Amino acid sequence: AQSVTQLDSHVSVSEGTPVLLRCNYSSSYSPSLFWYVQHPNKGLQLLLKYTSAATLVKGINGFEAEFKKSETSFHLTKPSAHMSDAAEYFCVAGSSGTYKYIFGTGTRLKVLA
Amino acid sequence: SAVISQKPSRDICQRGTSLTIQCQVDSQVTMMFWYRQQPGQSLTLIATANQGSEATYESGFVIDKFPISRPNLTFSTLTVSNMSPEDSSIYLCSVVSSGSSYEQYFGPGTRLTVT
Repeated sequence: AQSVTQLDSHVSVSEGTPVLLRCNYSSSYSPSLFWYVQHPNKGLQLLLKYTSAATLVKGINGFEAEFKKSETSFHLTKPSAHMSDAAEYFCVAGSSGTYKYIFGTGTRLKVLA
Repeated sequence: SAVISQKPSRDICQRGTSLTIQCQVDSQVTMMFWYRQQPGQSLTLIATANQGSEATYESGFVIDKFPISRPNLTFSTLTVSNMSPEDSSIYLCSVVSSGSSYEQYFGPGTRLTVT
């Protein structure tokens, strides 16, 4: 069965330093993979998606993620954190043929001044 | 991307009552889903709202508790029936637009508190 594991429930970084949010997936095939961000009391916003094209995916707000099949990983990175990046981030796998999503448990990013 | 609205945005309800949540999309969409996000947790899929037929429920969710309607390609409702405090959650609808590569767009959510 498909599953998504976000390895860190909380990550704290200082403003201006790099961000790394880790995600591993379990699947018998190459799934569609997504990262969403949820700001407090706001809806979910799509940051980026991987759908078997380029393995390095660029998203909005300077975020990017690299699909590594050998490591079954899809980690989210950003070179320099901004205070406005503080939010909850969800790694999501899409189930082939059904459009259903499998959500990771989320990583809360805190950005320190 | 589709623009999605939900009504109400939040509500406080008494146990034993029911609440119907509406989801409206600004364009016709292929798929619509309903999710629950319990406090401090991730999202769990409740069901797929099928246009013109009964919804398809995930394990642990039943039609008697969460009846869903989808009369057309732009609108759906989710009812939370006979509520208990354990139903206090954010309920979100999402859509897959025609031609999109699997990505879902989410509504702003309905924050439900049951007392």
